[in-house]
Amino acid sequence: GQQLNQSPQSMFIQEGEDVSMNCTSSSIFNTWLWYKQDPGEGPVLLIALYKAGELTSNGRLTAQFGITRKDSFLNISASIPSDVGIYFCAGDFGNEKLTFGTGTRLTIIP
Amino acid sequence: DVKVTQSSRYLVKRTGEKVFLECVQDMDHENMFWYRQDPGLGLRLIYFSYDVKMKEKGDIPEGYSVSREKKERFSLILESASTSQTSMYLCASSQGPPGQYFGPGTRLTVT
Repeated sequence: GQQLNQSPQSMFIQEGEDVSMNCTSSSIFNTWLWYKQDPGEGPVLLIALYKAGELTSNGRLTAQFGITRKDSFLNISASIPSDVGIYFCAGDFGNEKLTFGTGTRLTIIP
Repeated sequence: DVKVTQSSRYLVKRTGEKVFLECVQDMDHENMFWYRQDPGLGLRLIYFSYDVKMKEKGDIPEGYSVSREKKERFSLILESASTSQTSMYLCASSQGPPGQYFGPGTRLTVT
């Protein structure tokens, strides 16, 4: 199966900074999902996107479903310490056989 | 509250052993999934099930099998464990889109 290209692989930022990450695919997805994984835990769903061009927010998080349906973006504004973790994008063709990105590890420098 | 539990957080097995990883969900979900997570590779789907006694191969089923005798329980079986199967194993369940609920994972080491 394919994997999604997710970038950057890791980010080191200071508290209060904004964060951007993205995923690209060679395939067209029906749904894009963004998950966050805290250390020692399973991933938790943050945002689900269903239509090309859709922009959806969840608190300080904003995600977009790319117009081509082959990419998606996640932005985090004014980062706080609890934002630390690994963020994964995932694409769904509609059958729940999710294809995950390789992850972006977010670290906040004190 | 949604709950997916996995039988062990850490497991150490020897090469050639038969290994059972158990997953239980208490949400009456139809769909259950097994993934493995490796650094730099993200999560990869091993097997999934849309119903009791039903199973379908995911992207990397080789060396694994599954069993779903009851709706709430989905087991991953490594018939003869190998060192290449050292990984984090994650179970998930869902009742359809938008997303899957994950357990905390089992970190398996095969020596």
